[in-house]
Amino acid sequence: AQSVSQHNHHVILSEAASLELGCNYSYGGTVNLFWYVQYPGQHLQLLLKYFSGDPLVKGIKGFEAEFIKSKFSFNLRKPSVQWSDTAEYFCAVNADFGNEKLTFGTGTRLTIIP
Amino acid sequence: GAVVSQHPSRVICKSGTSVKIECRSLDFQATTMFWYRQFPKQSLMLMATSNEGSKATYEQGVEKDKFLINHASLTLSTLTVTSAHPEDSSFYICSAPRGGGRYEQYFGPGTRLTVT
Repeated sequence: AQSVSQHNHHVILSEAASLELGCNYSYGGTVNLFWYVQYPGQHLQLLLKYFSGDPLVKGIKGFEAEFIKSKFSFNLRKPSVQWSDTAEYFCAVNADFGNEKLTFGTGTRLTIIP
Repeated sequence: GAVVSQHPSRVICKSGTSVKIECRSLDFQATTMFWYRQFPKQSLMLMATSNEGSKATYEQGVEKDKFLINHASLTLSTLTVTSAHPEDSSFYICSAPRGGGRYEQYFGPGTRLTVT
């Protein structure tokens, strides 16, 4: 079974700072990778996803993530954060054999200080 | 706009009663839906996979007799928490994959259950 770990539980940054949130997964086969965001009081929304091809994927709101297969990592980045990026961020993995189940990481709470 | 809805958004019930939560895909059909439970400041834990036309598949440690799932149609799945207890209080979220192949899952807004 696959598992996902997010090392940063709570990250506090000032506006305009650069962001990188770590995500590592454990699964020996082909995976699909996702980052979801949950703004306060709102439901989960997809930020970006990786299925195949270019390992650097760009998502909404200026976010991007890089899949490094050798490191089993899919870190989320944003060069300059905004106060509105304050939210909970979840990395998720799906084993690519037709089962649509997602395994989520524990989440990272991001607080942006104006 | 929202493509997956849940009803109710909040429910408070007394211990020992049962509560039904609905999950609907609004503009697409979903033969599969997923039910998650989210504890405060924690991740989503998959409870079960709801399958239209067949029995739900439960994750290890989830009591199927306590969390009854019925996938009544291609756009509706229901989760019934039977004989609820305070420890069942949680945030329950459903999701539905849209599109074939490499899908994208859409999440409902969640249901906050409080058992008193």
